[in-house]
Amino acid sequence: DADVTQTPRNRITKTGKRIMLECSQTKGHDRMYWYRQDPGLGLRLIYYSFDVKDINKGEISDGYSVSRQAQAKFSLSLESAIPNQTALYFCATSDHPGTPSREKLFFGSGTQLSVL
Amino acid sequence: LAKTTQPISMDSYEGQEVNITCSHNNIATNDYITWYQQFPSQGPRFIIQGYKTKVTNEVASLFIPADRKSSTLSLPRVSLSDTAVYYCLVGDRDNAGNMLTFGGGTRLMVKP
Repeated sequence: DADVTQTPRNRITKTGKRIMLECSQTKGHDRMYWYRQDPGLGLRLIYYSFDVKDINKGEISDGYSVSRQAQAKFSLSLESAIPNQTALYFCATSDHPGTPSREKLFFGSGTQLSVL
Repeated sequence: LAKTTQPISMDSYEGQEVNITCSHNNIATNDYITWYQQFPSQGPRFIIQGYKTKVTNEVASLFIPADRKSSTLSLPRVSLSDTAVYYCLVGDRDNAGNMLTFGGGTRLMVKP
């Protein structure tokens, strides 16, 4: 979805390096998410944020940190990258229709990260 | 514990109708059912959402029986471009309390 922009699209880095993936959105949504996808598998949630002052760990947060700089910006950091963090990373936003289970996610195009 | 169960893969031919069923025996009273489509190297895209009976939009139909323990995504007259992975999500948390979990999905292959 062009309204959710991820940078960079591709990144190759070395073990031990710190790396930041950035996400910005123009949809005006309060809720933002970071997912990771490994080849042939589903998406796993790393962190999510319901507003600027709210950060929550997802299913696989170890080795990652996030920063919600503004409503429109949510960045993911790998403090010391390791090879098993090689994956496709997606940022997403969601509307908040009032009923939690009615949320619809809108995804960015993804960042392919390779850690050598 | 997975909250939904879908077939791992399905094959079809162009022009056929494809039905993908998702089982969700433990669906909660206020849970909605949402389907996403994912093409290779792209983020998932919302397709359809429903609560009961039938929902139809320009892309697909969603059939939900009265007991709501399953749902069926129906794609009419598929084309090669419908080859993708389809995910069924129920509610906003799985049985372990994890937020918005995407399982493995159903990998649909449409052949000419």
